Amino acid sequence: DVKVTQSSRYLVKRTGEKVFLECVQDMDHENMFWYRQDPGLGLRLIYFSYDVKMKEKGDIPEGYSVSREKKERFSLILESASTNQTSMYLCASKTRDTIDTQYFGPGTRLTVL
Amino acid sequence: AQSVTQLDSHVSVSEGTPVLLRCNYSSSYSPSLFWYVQHPNKGLQLLLKYTSAATLVKGINGFEAEFKKSETSFHLTKPSAHMSDAAEYFCVVSLYNFNKFYFGSGTKLNVKP
Repeated sequence: DVKVTQSSRYLVKRTGEKVFLECVQDMDHENMFWYRQDPGLGLRLIYFSYDVKMKEKGDIPEGYSVSREKKERFSLILESASTNQTSMYLCASKTRDTIDTQYFGPGTRLTVL
Repeated sequence: AQSVTQLDSHVSVSEGTPVLLRCNYSSSYSPSLFWYVQHPNKGLQLLLKYTSAATLVKGINGFEAEFKKSETSFHLTKPSAHMSDAAEYFCVVSLYNFNKFYFGSGTKLNVKP
């Protein structure tokens, strides 16, 4: 079974803190994604990566950065957390095959106070 | 441009009755289309996908969806709802040759005993 794990299920941070969310997949997938999920908005793509050290902006990259130093690990960084970044963050991975399925992690619910 | 519209934010059915969750898409290219389900406090799970083969796609747990190009629709159906089907469902469209996925805003399915 494909497994995508995220470092925390729940996280509480203060405004201005630097926040790291980590995602690890064990299926040697080339592509990895970070989304945020908000009620009534579905999932919106923040960043994705198609190879080690490669990244592309998604639809809402402002206030976020990412790091992919190893194939299995994709980190989302909030440089200076703000209250409007309170959300559910979901990581996903897939093979390079364009019709392949994305596999999702369980999500991290981040609250910024 | 691509977009996905889920026509109902909430659907309520009685156990044993049919389920219909509606999805319309717009895409300049031949799309790949997916339905995902998210149970409370769980990650997203793929129900089914359409990738330009048969227009009627069968998925897990008795769900199926029909791709209708003329109507730009990909509605999800199930003949008989079960209590365990209560969850949020997302319709997703993807461009061929790219790895960007566009999510609808979600439909919450409530199943009454």
